[in-house]
Amino acid sequence: AQSVTQLGSHVSVSEGALVLLRCNYSSSVPPYLFWYVQYPNQGLQLLLKYTSAATLVKGINGFEAEFKKSETSFHLTKPSAHMSDAAEYFCAVSENDYKLSFGAGTTVTVRA
Amino acid sequence: EAGVAQSPRYKIIEKRQSVAFWCNPISGHATLYWYQQILGQGPKLLIQFQNNGVVDDSQLPKDRFSAERLKGVDSTLKIQPAKLEDSAVYLCASSLDGTIHEQYFGPGTRLTVT
Repeated sequence: AQSVTQLGSHVSVSEGALVLLRCNYSSSVPPYLFWYVQYPNQGLQLLLKYTSAATLVKGINGFEAEFKKSETSFHLTKPSAHMSDAAEYFCAVSENDYKLSFGAGTTVTVRA
Repeated sequence: EAGVAQSPRYKIIEKRQSVAFWCNPISGHATLYWYQQILGQGPKLLIQFQNNGVVDDSQLPKDRFSAERLKGVDSTLKIQPAKLEDSAVYLCASSLDGTIHEQYFGPGTRLTVT
């Protein structure tokens, strides 16, 4: 069965600092992995996805994530946080093409 | 291209009342999803339609929840009767070909049951 664990429900970073959001997955087959962002009062927007090609995936808004099979991890990073990065971030996993399982989410606040 | 539309955006009802949510997917998208997002949790799939047929409703509480997608376009999700634990954001999403890779989400309907 597929599942995702996001470590840390809240992350606070200073503007210009590194953003690191942690995600570990469980899957019985090679998974597809996703990061979504949700701004207040909006729906989810896809940031990036891993689909068994390159292990380092680049997404929108300067975010990237690295798939590490040995650690069953798919952590999300951004070198320099911007105020506009304040949002909730969800990691998701799928063992097939049809069903996503989401983590509980990590809320990011950015300090000026 | 217009996105996924949902209405209402907010709804407050008392327990045991009924409520309905509406979703209009992106034009041409064959697959439509309803998710429930409880505060502090990630979205959970309630039901998935392919055109006007149900693909997956394994996590839909069928004793109180129902959904339909007449004519394979718009969809409604109904709760009757509502319970306090139904308080959540209900998200609608659509995709062109039924895969998870290009799933577009609406802004959601925030339901509060008092």
